[in-house]
Amino acid sequence: DAGVTQSPTHLIKTRGQHVTLRCSPISGHKSVSWYQQVLGQGPQFIFQYYEKEERGRGNFPDRFSARQFPNYSSELNVNALLLGDSALYLCASSSHGQAYEQYFGPGTRLTVT
Amino acid sequence: SQQGEEDPQALSIQEGENATMNCSYKTSINNLQWYRQNSGRGLVHLILIRSNEREKHSGRLRVTLDTSKKSSSLLITASRAADTASYFCATDGTGGFKTIFGAGTRLFVKA
Repeated sequence: DAGVTQSPTHLIKTRGQHVTLRCSPISGHKSVSWYQQVLGQGPQFIFQYYEKEERGRGNFPDRFSARQFPNYSSELNVNALLLGDSALYLCASSSHGQAYEQYFGPGTRLTVT
Repeated sequence: SQQGEEDPQALSIQEGENATMNCSYKTSINNLQWYRQNSGRGLVHLILIRSNEREKHSGRLRVTLDTSKKSSSLLITASRAADTASYFCATDGTGGFKTIFGAGTRLFVKA
């Protein structure tokens, strides 16, 4: 079975631009979470979606948004990119939500110049 | 802000030695999880311990949880060079819809 997949692997954007990151969960998993990991730090929680509804939101500005589709895949959108948005963006899926173990994808490395 | 705080920040040991990492957190939890990350790649789930459990084992891993002290420890026995990685604790926080990671412990195992 395929694990969690994310696309693209790497991305370079310019300040002020918009970016869309994609995630496909493990088959049968209904929960997807997004994290931002800056170099040298632990992952920071951005969003959790379960059954296509937002269930949790971290302390991120409204420039960050996400959605989950009927097939449980998910997109993370970031508008008006700032240099500080440069990070590894991780997607994780789980069968029921945060009370269960999460399976992480390899991440998307975003560089904002 | 991050709820979990790992200690030490970095740990360097010889192959075959045991490695112990500690995690402290601030608020009540339903469960605590430990993850491993190799070279800035995706995280790998190691073990989940629920708030009503005190100790859990998985292979060479042993995790303890002390909810009265809001702390947990991860012990890796008979370490190997392949154990070199960053280790993170993560808690679910109130409501269970937000996972909070600590800053991690960087473990270096020398062959």
